[in-house]
Amino acid sequence: NAGVTQTPKFQVLKTGQSMTLQCAQDMNHEYMSWYRQDPGMGLRLIHYSVGAGITDQGEVPNGYNVSRSTTEDFPLRLLSAAPSQTSVYFCASSYSRQGDRNEQFFGPGTRLTVL
Amino acid sequence: AQSVTQPDIHITVSEGASLELRCNYSYGATPYLFWYVQSPGQGLQLLLKYFSGDTLVQGIKGFEAEFKRSQSSFNLRKPSVHWSDAAEYFCAVAGNKLVFGAGTILRVKS
Repeated sequence: NAGVTQTPKFQVLKTGQSMTLQCAQDMNHEYMSWYRQDPGMGLRLIHYSVGAGITDQGEVPNGYNVSRSTTEDFPLRLLSAAPSQTSVYFCASSYSRQGDRNEQFFGPGTRLTVL
Repeated sequence: AQSVTQPDIHITVSEGASLELRCNYSYGATPYLFWYVQSPGQGLQLLLKYFSGDTLVQGIKGFEAEFKRSQSSFNLRKPSVHWSDAAEYFCAVAGNKLVFGAGTILRVKS
């Protein structure tokens, strides 16, 4: 199993550009989530999904969109990038719909810089 | 809403010395508690978790943590630290959502 994969590993954007961070898992996990990690702030939940077709907002959803058309994939879209979105982004998955109460399996992260 | 506090931003210990990383949480009911470790440039990996039962839980890599309800704490311990333990450690609590602490960076002196 590849586990949770994320692409790209690194990305530089200009303010106002849009892009999609890709996340895929091959463990048939129902719960998937996106976090951003900023120094001194730990990980903050952006969006999450408890299954295909179901998404919900986390703590810091503004400026981000998600969709979940399949169990495997959970892309994160930045609609109009801002310097405040410079961060490291982690995708995670968990095996039950109560994913936040179970072990999270993390991808390797995407380091995004917005100029 | 729940919250997590990791009071120590950085900790330095000598190789072979014991380690304790502090974690305090705020939640009205019995929480689900986790410790994760992040090596540089990597994602997070689960070290251990507490849901119920025995308040002393064992994890991977020789780590253990003790849940103390009266102190709202879930401190991580290791009897003898190895240089490979240098990493950032995150405590997390799941109540109605999963919340991570700000992390503690562990440096190991040889």
